[in-house]
Amino acid sequence: NAGVTQTPKFQVLKTGQSMTLQCAQDMNHEYMSWYRQDPGMGLRLIHYSVGAGITDQGEVPNGYNVSRSTTEDFPLRLLSAAPSQTSVYFCASSYQASGTYNEQFFGPGTRLTVL
Amino acid sequence: GNSVTQMEGPVTLSEEAFLTINCTYTATGYPSLFWYVQYPGEGLQLLLKATKADDKGSNKGFEATYRKETTSFHLEKGSVQVSDSAVYFCALGAGSNYQLIWGAGTKLIIKP
Repeated sequence: NAGVTQTPKFQVLKTGQSMTLQCAQDMNHEYMSWYRQDPGMGLRLIHYSVGAGITDQGEVPNGYNVSRSTTEDFPLRLLSAAPSQTSVYFCASSYQASGTYNEQFFGPGTRLTVL
Repeated sequence: GNSVTQMEGPVTLSEEAFLTINCTYTATGYPSLFWYVQYPGEGLQLLLKATKADDKGSNKGFEATYRKETTSFHLEKGSVQVSDSAVYFCALGAGSNYQLIWGAGTKLIIKP
């Protein structure tokens, strides 16, 4: 089991460029999510998905798009990068069961710098 | 609304010292509570959890007790090691959308 994988590990973009952060999991988890981590602010939820074809916005969705065409993959797209999107991005997944909060498994993160 | 408040860091201790990292929460109903740890350069991983009042979660020498009367879930360890240096996050799960509410994280530095 590879768990949750993310690519790339590091990325530098110029303002206005677009890119896609990749996330994949091999645990057959229904629930997947994207967070950004900024100093002193903990984790903030960007978008999440409760299954293939179903996505929803989190706390800070502006400037980001997601899709979930398969159970395994949950890419995050930056439409037009801005310096405010400089951050570390984490993808996470978990098994979903009604009425319970299960362990979230995290990828190693992508460190993004927007110049 | 639901929220989590953690003590600010960094917390600096000597090896073998006693550790407490405070976490308090605001939530309706009966949330599940979690501690996650993030080692340098890595993603977060679950350290321990508790799902109902008076439950004690424990792992790797760390413990935390779900105290509903004080809405707290403080993390403790009797004797810390240099390898415990990391950022610790308290989180709660409440509501129906499977999202976790995260504290800001507390950086722990252990000196030999």
